[in-house]
Amino acid sequence: EIVMTQSPATLSVSPGESATLSCRASQSISSHLAWYQQKPGQSPRLLMYGASTRATGIPARFSGSGSGPEFTLTISSLQSEDFAIYYCQQYDSWPLTFGGGTKVEIK
Amino acid sequence: EVQLLESGGGLVKPGGSLRLSCVASGFTFSRHTINWVRQAPGQGLDWVSSISATGSHVNYADSVKGRFTISRNNAENSVYLEMSSLRVEDTALYFCARDRIREDGLDVWGQGTTVTVSS
Repeated sequence: EIVMTQSPATLSVSPGESATLSCRASQSISSHLAWYQQKPGQSPRLLMYGASTRATGIPARFSGSGSGPEFTLTISSLQSEDFAIYYCQQYDSWPLTFGGGTKVEIK
Repeated sequence: EVQLLESGGGLVKPGGSLRLSCVASGFTFSRHTINWVRQAPGQGLDWVSSISATGSHVNYADSVKGRFTISRNNAENSVYLEMSSLRVEDTALYFCARDRIREDGLDVWGQGTTVTVSS
């Protein structure tokens, strides 16, 4: 099983600043990585797939990069609606696995 | 509107059984793999099971293998998760989620149905 490790667990950011979230896979997964956003009481929402392709309707302030084992999600100029928990997920091999999440909170 | 709607959750005793349903609307259901993903209270996302578009391929997390069975009925736009030998640790909000056509991300999620396993 591929283990996905996200860091940091919590990120405190002021509105308007940028946030950089990390995700590491326990082995190479090429670019087979997705990112999700989840707000309290809501279902997850797909942000990125293929490590760097934004899903439909996702604003350009979200960007993804990386390949192999190391990935980054960057949120530039954080808006109030961006404070949430973010999960990475690999789909390179079964079982599908998620990272533990990074909570982006208001500083 | 593209939508997934789960049902069937509830309170069950350890060792008991439950059947979850997920009904889809607004898209060509038979073209998509469907997954079940769960989230224990205050915890992260935990993939449970997946069934391919035709139903010919299924996969399970080790934690549920042999206890849970996924199936689908494309004529009824539905996916099911039969859960047996339930454990306290299966307590969670269960989401069904649609895979993109290329199986590179879960792009549509239901609101979830809650399963509570407790004596």
